[in-house]
Parts: sequence; structure tokens; C-alpha cells
Amino acid sequence: LAKTTQPISMDSYEGQEVNITCSHNNIATNDYITWYQQFPSQGPRFIIQGYKTKVTNEVASLFIPADRKSSTLSLPRVSLSDTAVYYCLVGDRARRALTFGSGTRLQVQP
Amino acid sequence: GAVVSQHPSWVICKSGTSVKIECRSLDFQATTMFWYRQFPKQSLMLMATSNEGSKATYEQGVEKDKFLINHASLTLSTLTVTSAHPEDSSFYICSAPISGSSYEQYFGPGTRLTVT
Repeated sequence: LAKTTQPISMDSYEGQEVNITCSHNNIATNDYITWYQQFPSQGPRFIIQGYKTKVTNEVASLFIPADRKSSTLSLPRVSLSDTAVYYCLVGDRARRALTFGSGTRLQVQP
Repeated sequence: GAVVSQHPSWVICKSGTSVKIECRSLDFQATTMFWYRQFPKQSLMLMATSNEGSKATYEQGVEKDKFLINHASLTLSTLTVTSAHPEDSSFYICSAPISGSSYEQYFGPGTRLTVT
């Protein structure tokens, strides 16, 4: 499994765009990049998944450069309710169990 | 959308007793479910893979005789913490993969276990 590296924490203010970058230098050809969000005392929630270039859904965008050695989760116009821990996961879709890294603790201030 | 539930949401037990935690997939069938443990301010750690109709697969370092897993039906997996000790106090979370998308999973709300 490719190891991921994320910033431990980030601070932002309401209304700002937040970009969280994840490094995965050893990503394999078959690996996908997936992001999860976790609020305190809750199970994680799937945010977005991608393989290359850009993926966008109603919640976030995921930018993946051509070399795929990193990825950036972009949260547009964050609100206080976006305060959570965000996990970047990389792995083969065939492997069903998830390996969570340390995650990024995002704190959104008013 | 699909939902995974857990019961109980929290439990307090005395040291030496056993506690059972249930994980249910509410509107879909899950032949595989996963159990994670999370200590405060830490990430989720995979404990075991629960397979319907067969034995669970445990991660290295997880005692299978202490954490009993039973996946008796396509919608229910149970985790029993036997002879619980204070160091077993943690947040236990189960998940079930969405068919056709292994990396997209539904997670339960978690169970907070406190052993006194």
C-alpha cells in the first residue's frame, strides 16, 4: 500500500477555499486516491475518489497531477461545519480494507 | 442512501466482563464488513475483516480470542470484546464496502466503549 503524508492540521476561516495536499510518492498504477471526512465521535464519510486529473462532486474537488505522486482536496467556501479530520487514502480498488493515515485536522474559524 | 448502524452507541462495562457490539447494514447486503478501533486523537486502525459465513481475518497484533467476530447473516456482524480491560476502552467503528467500489465504504456511527 502506498504511504500517504498529509499536514497534521490546518486552520481556515468561513467562506475561504481550503486545499489539503496529500503526498503519495509510491503510488502504484492500479491505485486510486480516496478522501474521507470524519467528525468527532462519528464514523468516516466518503468524500471523493479519483485516479487522475480532476474530479468534482457536490462537496469537493480532487486535483491529481500527471505524475500522481500527490493529490489536493479542495473544499470551496468552507463553513464551521467543515471542521473535521480529513483522510487521504491510496490503494488498489481490489483491496477492500482501508488503511488510514494520520489525517489532517481542519479547524474552521468564524 | 445505504446506511450502516451500530448498537449500542456507547457502553460502560466493568473490567473482566464481555461486551457485544452489533453492526448492521440497513438496506443492502454486506458479505464483508470491517471493524476498526480508534483511540482519542488517533487515526482508525483496522482490526479485522468480517466475512459472512466464514471466519474473520484479523490484522497482525489483534487477538482473535479476545475480539470475537461473528458474521452470521448478510446484514449483521458482531464484535464481542471478551474479558474487557480498561485498555480496551476505545471507539469501535464498523464499515461495509459499496458493491463495485471497494474504496467507497459506508461507516457506522461508532460505539464508544469504556471499561472501568
